[in-house]
Amino acid sequence: DAMVIQNPRYQVTQFGKPVTLSCSQTLNHNVMYWYQQKSSQAPKLLFHYYDKDFNNEADTPDNFQSRRPNTSFCFLDIRSPGLGDAAMYLCATSRDYRPQHFGDGTRLSIL
Amino acid sequence: KQEVTQIPAALSVPEGENLVLNCSFTDSAIYNLQWFRQDPGKGLTSLLLIQSSQREQTSGRLNASLDKSSGRSTLYIAASQPGDSATYLCAVSHDLPYSGGGADGLTFGKGTHLIIQP
Repeated sequence: DAMVIQNPRYQVTQFGKPVTLSCSQTLNHNVMYWYQQKSSQAPKLLFHYYDKDFNNEADTPDNFQSRRPNTSFCFLDIRSPGLGDAAMYLCATSRDYRPQHFGDGTRLSIL
Repeated sequence: KQEVTQIPAALSVPEGENLVLNCSFTDSAIYNLQWFRQDPGKGLTSLLLIQSSQREQTSGRLNASLDKSSGRSTLYIAASQPGDSATYLCAVSHDLPYSGGGADGLTFGKGTHLIIQP
């Protein structure tokens, strides 16, 4: 089945140690999004790629970066994770105005 | 700035009841509205999408309505079952400056945590 796959499902890192989360998709969608969802809060858009064009939300911290080497893969890099970055990170894809398809998320813990 | 509010924040009802979840948004210039389901520790599953030109969408026991001018949507769940227990999120997307469209992220509400008692 075509889907959005996030790896790993759970990630533990140390305070200040760079971490990378990955997302892949077999839907051939041209848009990929990263959302951050803290406990009991609404998911919040961090940034998205429209094809190769990167679009950052105005309030996304500089600590968060993203790479999209090809249509199928997108990475979220956190350069120096702080305790406040512990959250569920959700990847989503879409084509035009069709519904966004979400992966199962990566839960990030900071020690 | 768009704000999405969901009421109630939590709801617990006996199995078999019909129920309504509410969603409101402050900026009526939306492109579409989606309802999602989120199980604990999991990602989001899209339930229904309503384009701004539509008034409602139905899927099985679920019916979602949209009143764009008043900034409201409701999700109606008929004959609720314990398997319906989850958090239900409402999200809106917006008209874009891009010619290609489809690239706008969603603005979410905090969700309604639903428990269906057996």
